[in-house]
Amino acid sequence: GAGVSQSPSNKVTEKGKDVELRCDPISGHTALYWYRQSLGQGLEFLIYFQGNSAPDKSGLPSDRFSAERTGGSVSTLTIQRTQQEDSAVYLCASSLAHGVFGYGYTFGSGTRLTVV
Amino acid sequence: GQQVMQIPQYQHVQEGEDFTTYCNSSTTLSNIQWYKQRPGGHPVFLIQLVKSGEVKKQKRLTFQFGEAKKNSSLHITATQTTDVGTYFCAGMKAGNNRKLIWGLGTSLAVNP
Repeated sequence: GAGVSQSPSNKVTEKGKDVELRCDPISGHTALYWYRQSLGQGLEFLIYFQGNSAPDKSGLPSDRFSAERTGGSVSTLTIQRTQQEDSAVYLCASSLAHGVFGYGYTFGSGTRLTVV
Repeated sequence: GQQVMQIPQYQHVQEGEDFTTYCNSSTTLSNIQWYKQRPGGHPVFLIQLVKSGEVKKQKRLTFQFGEAKKNSSLHITATQTTDVGTYFCAGMKAGNNRKLIWGLGTSLAVNP
């Protein structure tokens, strides 16, 4: 696609429910990243995928968070048993490759998650 | 751990005034990237600097990478209301783990 597509754009869920957030990266981009941004705050790294390599999950805040990337393209971020502190904007980004000079990240518009 | 500090946190200027945000790393970086996030929007890639002492310009924006590759700056000349937003720097540490380390951003407000 022309850009990074995320869905849904907004999600309101009850505390304790599971949610799935989807990211469709730019075609041909091998690297995919998930970040979290709370209101007025910076970007908190969650996880990244690079090609067929094992993902770097070092930023996932708890075992309630998981992510997968199928076929090297679409990724889903799953949050189980959501808590109010999970409320934030979840941003997905892709780049041509990970760590290669000259390639910035292209971000999607994000999913605004509200846990009530 | 490794940090990228960005100052100031906020800046309020009159339209036409200049603006600068600074980014400082505790360790040497292999490269640094700059992003702009408009209010309610998502970060948009502006530029990447790789070489020691590098200076790049995009219209009214001037980006610099320090000689020691530990600091960087973004300078906007004669700000306009369209410059409003948060500017983030993100540095990459050389080595096997090449994740970007993000500054907390500088929020710029411009009075017309």
